[in-house]
Amino acid sequence: DQQVKQNSPSLSVQEGRISILNCDYTNSMFDYFLWYKKYPAEGPTFLISISSIKDKNEDGRFTVFLNKSAKHLSLHIVPSQPGDSAVYFCAASANTNAGKSTFGDGTTLTVKP
Amino acid sequence: NAGVTQTPKFQVLKTGQSMTLQCAQDMNHNSMYWYRQDPGMGLRLIYYSASEGTTDKGEVPNGYNVSRLNKREFSLRLESAAPSQTSVYFCASSGRDRGRYEQYFGPGTRLTVT
Repeated sequence: DQQVKQNSPSLSVQEGRISILNCDYTNSMFDYFLWYKKYPAEGPTFLISISSIKDKNEDGRFTVFLNKSAKHLSLHIVPSQPGDSAVYFCAASANTNAGKSTFGDGTTLTVKP
Repeated sequence: NAGVTQTPKFQVLKTGQSMTLQCAQDMNHNSMYWYRQDPGMGLRLIYYSASEGTTDKGEVPNGYNVSRLNKREFSLRLESAAPSQTSVYFCASSGRDRGRYEQYFGPGTRLTVT
């Protein structure tokens, strides 16, 4: 049973608009959530994280929202830029151990000029 | 500051052959990890090392062994490669940076077992 799910394999948005990537989890022990961005032939790079004691974290154009009761988080990118086109992975971990994370399967974001 | 480096970048093995994937980090992190990524899937943890001298199994450890040689280096060994181990392998390290835990990944090793 997959504990972290990204139900949309792909998302396409126009440059300048908002991109919303979604992630659901099932394990109530998860208390730290991360988003990674991955370009082809490169390793994932850390984007933004949120602890379960918060419901929102913002870093520039990127905002992550956490709804603990729904076991759902989302990543908002505003405004979207063509350079944001990549695969985005949601990951979750327990005990703030960012390394032992469980990953979703990823969402491929395409931002069209 | 190179971050996390991995060698080799590409490798083709025949079934039954062995090889070691090398990983090194220069960020003075205690924790290091090996993941594999299969097409269309997320990363799955193979083994991790919370500190020098310790290693633990992750989600998919069968067919692999690891060595935490020192604080910088963490190697992954395939003793008898199988086609099911065809994948992209990522090494990572993690630590507190600017008050939050972050994980840094290497560029990956693309392994094909025929």
